[in-house]
Amino acid sequence: EDQVTQSPEALRLQEGESSSLNCSYTVSGLRGLFWYRQDPGKGPEFLFTLYSAGEEKEKERLKATLTKKESFLHITAPKPEDSATYLCAVQALPSSGTYKYIFGTGTRLKVLA
Amino acid sequence: EPEVTQTPSHQVTQMGQEVILRCVPISNHLYFYWYRQILGQKVEFLVSFYNNEISEKSEIFDDQFSVERPDGSNFTLKIRSTKLEDSAMYFCARGRQGGYGYTFGSGTRLTVV
Repeated sequence: EDQVTQSPEALRLQEGESSSLNCSYTVSGLRGLFWYRQDPGKGPEFLFTLYSAGEEKEKERLKATLTKKESFLHITAPKPEDSATYLCAVQALPSSGTYKYIFGTGTRLKVLA
Repeated sequence: EPEVTQTPSHQVTQMGQEVILRCVPISNHLYFYWYRQILGQKVEFLVSFYNNEISEKSEIFDDQFSVERPDGSNFTLKIRSTKLEDSAMYFCARGRQGGYGYTFGSGTRLTVV
C-alpha cells in the first residue's frame, strides 16, 4: 500500500536554529514528491517538486532533498515567519491507469524569536 | 501565477441540507481538483475534473457529491445531503503552470451542525 509518513509531528526551534523535517514514502513508482507550506486556515502553498533520487531544490532558507525512500526539508537559520505546517505529498505511478496524489499528515513548525 | 479563489470562506449548514462550494473565477484551465482536510488530518483527494468530465474520484466521493463547471469559469462542488462528518476544509486546486504540483485555493470551511 502506498504511504507517506512525516516526522516529527511538531517541532519547536529557536530563531536561527537549523533543523530538518523528514518525509518517508512507500509507493509502487514515484512520479514526483512535493513539499507544501500550509498556514492555519489556508490552502497548501507549493514549495518544491523533486523527481528523482539525488535531486535537490532550494528556496531562501529551505532546501529539499530526495532519496529512494525519503525526502528531507532542511531549514537553515529559520525565522519566526517560517512557522507553518509543512506537508509532503507524493504522486505515485498508477496501478489502475490514473495517478494518485498522497499527502502526509505534516510537520507543525514553530520558530520562536 | 493567478490565484485560485474560493467562495464562501466559511459555511455553516444543517445536517441533511445541500451545499454548493465554488471555485471562481477560473479561465483557460482544463484540469481542476477538489481536496478536503478534516481538522487535524491529512489533505485527502476527492475528485479530478478534466475538460468538463470527472477523470478520477476517490472512495470519499460517493453519490452525495457532484462537480460541475456550469458556465465555463465557475467550478462547483455540491454535497447533496450533508452529514456531520462532512465538516472539513474543502480546497479547490489547479495544476501549476510549467510543472507538476498544484496551486490551491484558500479553502471553504464547511461546518455541519
